[in-house]
Amino acid sequence: GEDVEQSLFLSVREGDSSVINCTYTDSSSTYLYWYKQEPGAGLQLLTYIFSNMDMKQDQRLTVLLNKKDKHLSLRIADTQTGDSAIYFCAIRTGSSASKIIFGSGTRLSIRP
Amino acid sequence: GAVVSQHPSWVICKSGTSVKIECRSLDFQATTMFWYRQFPKQSLMLMATSNEGSKATYEQGVEKDKFLINHASLTLSTLTVTSAHPEDSSFYICSALGTSGYNEQFFGPGTRLTVL
Repeated sequence: GEDVEQSLFLSVREGDSSVINCTYTDSSSTYLYWYKQEPGAGLQLLTYIFSNMDMKQDQRLTVLLNKKDKHLSLRIADTQTGDSAIYFCAIRTGSSASKIIFGSGTRLSIRP
Repeated sequence: GAVVSQHPSWVICKSGTSVKIECRSLDFQATTMFWYRQFPKQSLMLMATSNEGSKATYEQGVEKDKFLINHASLTLSTLTVTSAHPEDSSFYICSALGTSGYNEQFFGPGTRLTVL
């Protein structure tokens, strides 16, 4: 079946850039998403990228997609303490019109 | 943006009782809603896809008689955990499928269920 993998933890210094990586197996994925989850809360869509794009930038967020390697990354520039959260990579599978498969989530912690 | 609410936000119940969780799309109609379960420090696991006016589609390994889903209107889906047991304790999150071209799912804030 489809699989989405992420590293579990990332620690960065405040002000530095954070790069969260994700790999997936479904080559027919159409939309790829990044969600943010703060403690005890639901998920907030941060950004998404369509599979025919290589890059998308939205203010401090940059998404890079390497379809050949099935690799997706999220870069957060000038990381702030408010960015501390769990970040989920998710893909809309090619086999289903609306089903989304989530990665395990990467817990981003910010150190002063 | 589209808003999805869940009620209750947390619930504690005794073993053997049933608990109903509501998921509402507040400012849009959602023909499709999803129910997820999230264990501590783990990812979201899709339990079922709820379609308005029809039976829910359950993922493999999810007991349909245990987790009853009803999607009776375009803005409301309910998940009932029947005869709850401590192992059903979890964070349950619903989402509603948006109508934009990129099929965004709008997530509710989640419901924390604790079964004693």
